[in-house]
Amino acid sequence: AQSVTQPDIHITVSEGASLELRCNYSYGATPYLFWYVQSPGQGLQLLLKYFSGDTLVQGIKGFEAEFKRSQSSFNLRKPSVHWSDAAEYFCAVLDTDTGFQKLVFGTGTRLLVSP
Amino acid sequence: DAGVIQSPRHEVTEMGQEVTLRCKPISGHDYLFWYRQTMMRGLELLIYFNNNVPIDDSGMPEDRFSAKMPNASFSTLKIQPSEPRDSAVYFCASSLGERNTEAFFGQGTRLTVV
Repeated sequence: AQSVTQPDIHITVSEGASLELRCNYSYGATPYLFWYVQSPGQGLQLLLKYFSGDTLVQGIKGFEAEFKRSQSSFNLRKPSVHWSDAAEYFCAVLDTDTGFQKLVFGTGTRLLVSP
Repeated sequence: DAGVIQSPRHEVTEMGQEVTLRCKPISGHDYLFWYRQTMMRGLELLIYFNNNVPIDDSGMPEDRFSAKMPNASFSTLKIQPSEPRDSAVYFCASSLGERNTEAFFGQGTRLTVV
């Protein structure tokens, strides 16, 4: 089965500093990858997705992610973090073995932003 | 569209009671998903529907859980009887169903079984 791993449970970044959240996937072919953000007490919102083509994907709120097949990674980045970015971030892969509708989520990375 | 609407937002119930969670998907979306989020297990897909028909319920933990979608604008997730280990946040999501579209999530129902 396809899966994603987020090795960092918590990350603290100073406001204005750059951010990189790690995600590694497990799949032999080209995966369908997503990053979602969950603010406290809220549902999940899609930041960006990758299916094919340009390996650098731009998303909402100034986020981007780069697909690197050689490293089986899809890391999320932001050049300058704002306090409002404090949230939990989930990487997910579409389980194409089960009809393209099943999203499998990583365990999440909680981002804390310090002043 | 108001997005995916879930009710109630919070539910506290006693062990053994029946609990019903409700979801209204985005109009026009063909797929509806129920997820459960816990600290221990993260986000798990419980069941999903396509055009009101359950397609994959392999994530439903046990027979105490059941889900229905009587029409395109309404779904329920029922737990009977409820147990403390069912305490979690339950999310409903909907999508257009094509592989390159996103799933839109509701705000979730926080269930506490005491």
